[in-house]
Amino acid sequence: GDSVTQMEGPVTLSEEAFLTINCTYTATGYPSLFWYVQYPGEGLQLLLKATKADDKGSNKGFEATYRKETTSFHLEKGSVQVSDSAVYFCALSGLCETSYDKVIFGPGTSLSVIP
Amino acid sequence: DAGITQSPRHKVTETGTPVTLRCHQTENHRYMYWYRQDPGHGLRLIHYSYGVKDTDKGEVSDGYSVSRSKTEDFLLTLESATSSQTSVYFCAISESWGNQPQHFGDGTRLSIL
Repeated sequence: GDSVTQMEGPVTLSEEAFLTINCTYTATGYPSLFWYVQYPGEGLQLLLKATKADDKGSNKGFEATYRKETTSFHLEKGSVQVSDSAVYFCALSGLCETSYDKVIFGPGTSLSVIP
Repeated sequence: DAGITQSPRHKVTETGTPVTLRCHQTENHRYMYWYRQDPGHGLRLIHYSYGVKDTDKGEVSDGYSVSRSKTEDFLLTLESATSSQTSVYFCAISESWGNQPQHFGDGTRLSIL
């Protein structure tokens, strides 16, 4: 069935380190892909999205490229800050065989950035 | 930020009591959703709505009911709360169908003793 797999972490990095959070998916058709971020005590916020193969989503220094050939949507940032500490969720939607706008979320990856 | 307000933000109640959580939006979006978030399970869809008085079940709907009498309000009711329904509940909205991001409220932390 349709699914999203991502490293669960926790991931701990020093400030200014390079970040990669891997996300792979299984889906029918041509889904859209998203990264959401959740700060403590808050709801999920859309970080970036890509709607077709080879699209690159970017926001706040984060980037992810929709790779259809590897069914991946890895999140990257060149230099993380303490304020990036949060939980990151990879997600997909736009599935063909659903009766509603189903979104499938990955389990989330907890990131902690230390000074 | 999308105008989504969840109330209450925190609630503690006892097993067997009814509980209603409210989601209010000011975006006039057609689609609204209720999720629960639990460690080890991520986000799971409880119910969703695709218009006034139009609702349907998600993947974990047992023990929950919903109502939507106005575009802006989506209510989630636990008729007789159980300890397994202790969770953080999130409301989300989306503008249209297909390939659209959802926008989330800040959540309600519900504890059932």
